[in-house]
Amino acid sequence: NAGVTQTPKFRVLKTGQSMTLLCAQDMNHEYMYWYRQDPGMGLRLIHYSVGEGTTAKGEVPDGYNVSRLKKQNFLLGLESAAPSQTSVYFCASSILAGGSYEQFFGPGTRLTVL
Amino acid sequence: DAKTTQPNSMESNEEEPVHLPCNHSTISGTDYIHWYRQLPSQGPEYVIHGLTSNVNNRMASLAIAEDRKSSTLILHRATLRDAAVYYCILRDVDNYGQNFVFGPGTRLSVLP
Repeated sequence: NAGVTQTPKFRVLKTGQSMTLLCAQDMNHEYMYWYRQDPGMGLRLIHYSVGEGTTAKGEVPDGYNVSRLKKQNFLLGLESAAPSQTSVYFCASSILAGGSYEQFFGPGTRLTVL
Repeated sequence: DAKTTQPNSMESNEEEPVHLPCNHSTISGTDYIHWYRQLPSQGPEYVIHGLTSNVNNRMASLAIAEDRKSSTLILHRATLRDAAVYYCILRDVDNYGQNFVFGPGTRLSVLP
């Protein structure tokens, strides 16, 4: 199993440009998440999904949109990138396990907005 | 939301035990305590979780105080590979119980 994969690994955008980050998982997990991590900080939840066709807002959703058209994929979109969105983005997936929700993380996408 | 407090950094010598503390005085009765770690330039990885009783797995042990207001992650023999940022997280049961809140964590350095 590849686990959780993210595409692309690196990207540089100019202010105002748009892009989509792709997250894919092959573990048949119901739940998927997008986080951002700024330098020296912990992760902050942007959006999450508890199943195909459903999404919900996390702690910092402004400026981002998401879609979960297929169970294995979770897309994160930036419609008009801003320098404040420069960050490392992590995707994760999870399944109910032992009464809790162990999350499996991807390797991250490093995004720079100039 | 229930919050956690951890020391910013800790040091350990290789092959010695490490005790990483976490305070969560506002924990609710149904909050699980999770520990994740993040190695340099990688995504976080699951370490262990528990509700009330102490837990052991191949990576670590989790000791939970009787009043659940604090917990300690125990690495029995630290290796250089254990150098990472360790996050203590409470699972918020709001909505679908999915809202993990990561604080800044504890940066563990392991000295050879």
